[in-house]
Amino acid sequence: GAVVSQHPSWVICKSGTSVKIECRSLDFQATTMFWYRQFPKQSLMLMATSNEGSKATYEQGVEKDKFLINHASLTLSTLTVTSAHPEDSSFYICSARDPSGNYNEQFFGPGTRLTVL
Amino acid sequence: GQNIDQPTEMTATEGAIVQINCTYQTSGFNGLFWYQQHAGEAPTFLSYNVLDGLEEKGRFSSFLSRSKGYSYLLLKELQMKDSASYLCAANTGFQKLVFGTGTRLLVSP
Repeated sequence: GAVVSQHPSWVICKSGTSVKIECRSLDFQATTMFWYRQFPKQSLMLMATSNEGSKATYEQGVEKDKFLINHASLTLSTLTVTSAHPEDSSFYICSARDPSGNYNEQFFGPGTRLTVL
Repeated sequence: GQNIDQPTEMTATEGAIVQINCTYQTSGFNGLFWYQQHAGEAPTFLSYNVLDGLEEKGRFSSFLSRSKGYSYLLLKELQMKDSASYLCAANTGFQKLVFGTGTRLLVSP
């Protein structure tokens, strides 16, 4: 199957700083990527849909000015958590759909664990 | 609204069969995914059902009834490595997935 990578795999930062997480599709081009957040013992919650060359679409309740998404190329989407606070500590996972493959399957990255002190 | 329900936790023994149920109520529905997730890792794809019926793939099978808003994942010949969380997710359109809270399966010797 297609491979999606994320960087970094974990990050610890101080409250008030910004953190950038990268999501890359390694062997396919992805016009659409998705960003999820998962708190401990909870399921994945979709935060936003990242569209190459256009603005991201955010889910209700997700602050677009706090979670900046940039999908600058067909293989890279970035999520920047601005002015991070301890409540932003979570597991952030991206996924991408391979347009040349099964239309319905999303491939997930390995996730980024963010801890805000 | 969107609502996906799964049992929180299940236990089973090695070699047994276990069925994990999922019921859903969503504003749109194009199909249902099952994913496996080990602790601290990303979900991995297991199955996708669009039409009613049973789809078998090795030790894993998945069933869907659209009229009942119901699906199940059947795991046969359980192995210790099958201990993980199993996530049911509804495709609500435009590839947007709504996930259930996941079922934590513990396989014991």
